[in-house]
Amino acid sequence: QSALTQPPSASGSPGQSVTISCTGTSSDLGGYNSVSWYQQHPGKAPKLLIYEVTKRPSGVPDRFSGSKSGNTASLTVSGLQAEDEADYHCTSYAGNKGFVFGTGTKVTVL
Amino acid sequence: QVQLVQSGAEVTKPGSSVKVSCKASGGIFHRFDITWVRQAPGQGLEWMGGIIPVFGTTNFAQKFQGRLTITVDGSTSTAYMELNSLKSEDTAMYYCARASETYGRSFDFWGQGTLVTVSS
Repeated sequence: QSALTQPPSASGSPGQSVTISCTGTSSDLGGYNSVSWYQQHPGKAPKLLIYEVTKRPSGVPDRFSGSKSGNTASLTVSGLQAEDEADYHCTSYAGNKGFVFGTGTKVTVL
Repeated sequence: QVQLVQSGAEVTKPGSSVKVSCKASGGIFHRFDITWVRQAPGQGLEWMGGIIPVFGTTNFAQKFQGRLTITVDGSTSTAYMELNSLKSEDTAMYYCARASETYGRSFDFWGQGTLVTVSS
């Protein structure tokens, strides 16, 4: 079971938007609408940002949005703020194989 | 509020085993899957496997089949992850996480992580 593919890094200036992709296969990401995104600051545990492709848990700002087309999901962070500098991880349910995570993307706020 | 508190850091030798605990407080322990995720230094997250406490049924990522054991003790609301035949590549931060009761197939509560170092 291979990891989902994410770009290693992404960056943007404060106030700009950044979009991170997450590519899988029809056996995982493309086959289920159970894609989640997590934000992880250095030395901290991951925090749930997006679930079921597009939904935000209570308390997550609407600057964070998710989408999916085919075997690729995307996370967009709009109106970048300094505190958005972190690692972002996608994950997808993969049926009887459980879950698969992405390779992770480091977002830098310039 | 649900809290997951993991056991402390471990230093182990190649070929040995490590057992990490994850004690839950708040919420109803047996109702929700507990999953284990690890993160090697500078790397992404990796799903290892999970357990449904009420049934005790487990599911493992293929690469850990035969080497990973996940159990629960309902009397203490504690989940355990034991990894055998350790190699240097198993050096990582190990996290437990609870399946969400509200947010679909996601994990909304995480332990603080346990650093396992495998070194001769």
